[in-house]
Amino acid sequence: DAGVIQSPRHEVTEMGQEVTLRCKPISGHDYLFWYRQTMMRGLELLIYFNNNVPIDDSGMPEDRFSAKMPNASFSTLKIQPSEPRDSAVYFCASRGQGFSPLHFGNGTRLTVT
Amino acid sequence: AQSVTQPDIHITVSEGASLELRCNYSYGATPYLFWYVQSPGQGLQLLLKYFSGDTLVQGIKGFEAEFKRSQSSFNLRKPSVHWSDAAEYFCACLSNTGNQFYFGTGTSLTVIP
Repeated sequence: DAGVIQSPRHEVTEMGQEVTLRCKPISGHDYLFWYRQTMMRGLELLIYFNNNVPIDDSGMPEDRFSAKMPNASFSTLKIQPSEPRDSAVYFCASRGQGFSPLHFGNGTRLTVT
Repeated sequence: AQSVTQPDIHITVSEGASLELRCNYSYGATPYLFWYVQSPGQGLQLLLKYFSGDTLVQGIKGFEAEFKRSQSSFNLRKPSVHWSDAAEYFCACLSNTGNQFYFGTGTSLTVIP
C-alpha cells in the first residue's frame, strides 16, 4: 500500500499565478478530503468527496479555490489566482466506508510570494 | 455540535518520563475517537482509534488511550517517552454520520534529554 500520494511536495509561486495540487488516494477508498494547515488557523477542512462527488465544499475559502475528482484515483485542488495568504500546507486524505480513519498524504507546502 | 478540545497547546517532558496528553470531546452518543501524530514536514499518522468495547486501546509506538465517558475524555498516554516522540499530536472525533472529522487544535510535545 503506497498510501496517499500528493504532488508536488513544495510549490513556490508568485501572486496571481495558478496553482494546481494533486492527490492520489489509497486504492479502494471512497472518501477524499482536502485540508489546509496554517499556524494561525490550524487544520481546516476545505472540501470532501464521496465516490468522486463533492459532498461539502463549505470550507473552500473563496471562488479562487476549486477542486475536482475526475475518477477514483485522482483529485486536484486549484487556486486561481493565488495570493500570499494562501500560503499553507495542503493535505489530502482518504478513507474507506463506515467509520474508518483518515489516511493522510505528506502534504504540499505552498508559498505564494 | 460535535467538537474536540485539547487544553494543552504545548507540553515539555524529559526523555524516559511518562506522558499524558488531554483530549475532551463534545458528543451525545458514543463517539468514534482517534489520535494522530504529525512529525515535522509530514502528514498526520494514525496512532490509535476507539469505536466501542474495551475503553483502553493500544496503538502504535507504545501509545495507549483511555476512553472515559463520565469525563468526556480520551487522553493519550505513554509510560516512557523517547526523543523521537517529539511531534504535534491531534485528537479527532468522527461525526455520527461517518462523514466528517472534527480535529482538536493539537498539542506540541517537546522532549528534553
